[in-house]
Amino acid sequence: AQTVTQSQPEMSVQEAETVTLSCTYDTSESDYYLFWYKQPPSRQMILVIRQEAYKQQNATENRFSVNFQKAAKSFSLKISDSQLGDAAMYFCAYLYGKLTFGQGTILTVHP
Amino acid sequence: DTEVTQTPKHLVMGMTNKKSLKCEQHMGHRAMYWYKQKAKKPPELMFVYSYEKLSINESVPSRFSPECPNSSLLNLHLHALQPEDSALYLCASSSSGTGYTGELFFGEGSRLTVL
Repeated sequence: AQTVTQSQPEMSVQEAETVTLSCTYDTSESDYYLFWYKQPPSRQMILVIRQEAYKQQNATENRFSVNFQKAAKSFSLKISDSQLGDAAMYFCAYLYGKLTFGQGTILTVHP
Repeated sequence: DTEVTQTPKHLVMGMTNKKSLKCEQHMGHRAMYWYKQKAKKPPELMFVYSYEKLSINESVPSRFSPECPNSSLLNLHLHALQPEDSALYLCASSSSGTGYTGELFFGEGSRLTVL
């Protein structure tokens, strides 16, 4: 069974600085998708970034980028120039037929 | 603006009540999902509808009854719930019937409190 592990229950960052959230996963598949979702207190799950496993290039979306290490089954999220609005719970998720979530990381942004 | 709309946003019900949660999407997606989420926990999959047919039921108690009247609508009928069923219920949709290639788009959720 696929599992997704987020080893950091909570993280904090100063506004304008950079923070990296960790995620590892376990799978025997070679072709799958990985996502980072953000869930602010307003509660809607918002897709931050997606990565197709067959692509070598790391995905980027503005201030958000990933470090995808397929062999190591690692998928970390880097947030640059952190903003107060980035404060939320972040879920790493693996998709192969079924979406599997990690336990989440609560990110606090300090002004 | 969310493209997956859930109503109501908040619902309080007694253990003997019957109520329904509704979800609507107009993205032409062929798969729709119900998730249950407790505070500070990841969403747990309850049901998946693919092309309007129930394809996954994650051993959910029968007091939760899903319904997919058409490709745009998804309902969750609630009856004889327990206080431990209080949670945020999230609806999602994806373009692929199997969910293999399409990311899920989530609604804002319905916060359910069972007294």
